[in-house]
Amino acid sequence: DTGVSQDPRHKITKRGQNVTFRCDPISEHNRLYWYRQTLGQGPEFLTYFQNEAQLEKSRLLSDRFSAERPKGSFSTLEIQRTEQGDSAMYLCASGSGNQPQHFGDGTRLSIL
Amino acid sequence: QQPVQSPQAVILREGEDAVINCSSSKALYSVHWYRQKHGEAPIFLMILLKGGEQKGHDKISASFNEKKQQSSLYLTASQLSYSGTYFCGTEGDGNKLVFGAGTILRVKS
Repeated sequence: DTGVSQDPRHKITKRGQNVTFRCDPISEHNRLYWYRQTLGQGPEFLTYFQNEAQLEKSRLLSDRFSAERPKGSFSTLEIQRTEQGDSAMYLCASGSGNQPQHFGDGTRLSIL
Repeated sequence: QQPVQSPQAVILREGEDAVINCSSSKALYSVHWYRQKHGEAPIFLMILLKGGEQKGHDKISASFNEKKQQSSLYLTASQLSYSGTYFCGTEGDGNKLVFGAGTILRVKS
């Protein structure tokens, strides 16, 4: 069990640029979740997949955000035309059945 | 609807006990507790499914009252390593977790 892996750990970009993050879940987990966390707050749900199907997407999620999990294994989260307010820690978690979600170390995004 | 955690922060000396509460306005299927240290991922502590069960390991335990939609985390004989921010995540319909704003716990020697 190698845990949930996220890449990159840090991303600094200029406003208006597109960014893509990758998450590799624990191999036997069929569910994969994306959360966003800002300073002093708990993780905020963005979207989740069961296998390759995206089952739920937060209503707060702008259409600039898109996520994929093409083969039911790793997932990518893309943010287009980044804005200052997108600066946050993006966390990925994986789980299965009634088992708990296990989080990766996150990707910290800073928008200049 | 985000669950409400209390207190927002607590400072303890080693060996003292603490209780962290989590309250929701929605019917819950389960409550998940995590601890997060600065700059690190949230680490899973325990999950409580509806049924009023109490779980624990070592000196950390938790209870879940589904009728009141409340959960409490009990930290006994606190250690320095317990310092961090504690989050409850509540699960209602669907499989996503809705997290509270967190309780900052600092244990001093």
